[in-house]
Amino acid sequence: AQRVTQPEKLLSVFKGAPVELKCNYSYSGSPELFWYVQYSRQRLQLLLRHISRESIKGFTADLNKGETSFHLKKPFAQEEDSAMYYCALTKAAGNKLTFGGGTRVLVKP
Amino acid sequence: EAGVAQSPRYKIIEKRQSVAFWCNPISGHATLYWYQQILGQGPKLLIQFQNNGVVDDSQLPKDRFSAERLKGVDSTLKIQPAKLEDSAVYLCASSHTGRASYEQYFGPGTRLTVT
Repeated sequence: AQRVTQPEKLLSVFKGAPVELKCNYSYSGSPELFWYVQYSRQRLQLLLRHISRESIKGFTADLNKGETSFHLKKPFAQEEDSAMYYCALTKAAGNKLTFGGGTRVLVKP
Repeated sequence: EAGVAQSPRYKIIEKRQSVAFWCNPISGHATLYWYQQILGQGPKLLIQFQNNGVVDDSQLPKDRFSAERLKGVDSTLKIQPAKLEDSAVYLCASSHTGRASYEQYFGPGTRLTVT
């Protein structure tokens, strides 16, 4: 069975401070990993995906297959980063996403 | 391109009543998903369609939930009869096929409250 765990429900940081959102997964294979974000009053949307190995809005995520983790990081948080963040995995393109429980990030001025 | 459309946005019903939700995916997207998101949890897949065929409905409570996508475009999700534990946000998402289907595009959701 596939499972995604986000241990922190809430992360509160000051503007300009680093932020790291933890994500651990269990899956018997090589899944594709994603981070989705939901800003206030907006739809759930893709932030970044492991296969693209890109940095979006200053965020990066490193896949550690040994530790089965896919933590999301940003060196200098901005107030506009305040949102709900969901880690998700899928076994292949066109398949369902399995989401973690989400982490709410609050960036204080 | 226009996004995924859902209606209604909010619905309040009493337990044992029935309710239906509608979703119109992004034009040209062959794959459509219905997710249930209970407060404080991440979305969980209920059913996935490819065109008008069901790909995965393993987590759909089939004794009370049903869904259809008759013409391979828009879709409806029905609950009959509703239970208190069905209170949740119901999200519809769509995607392309092939390698482009990694990204799913979500609608605004329908918030259902069962009293």
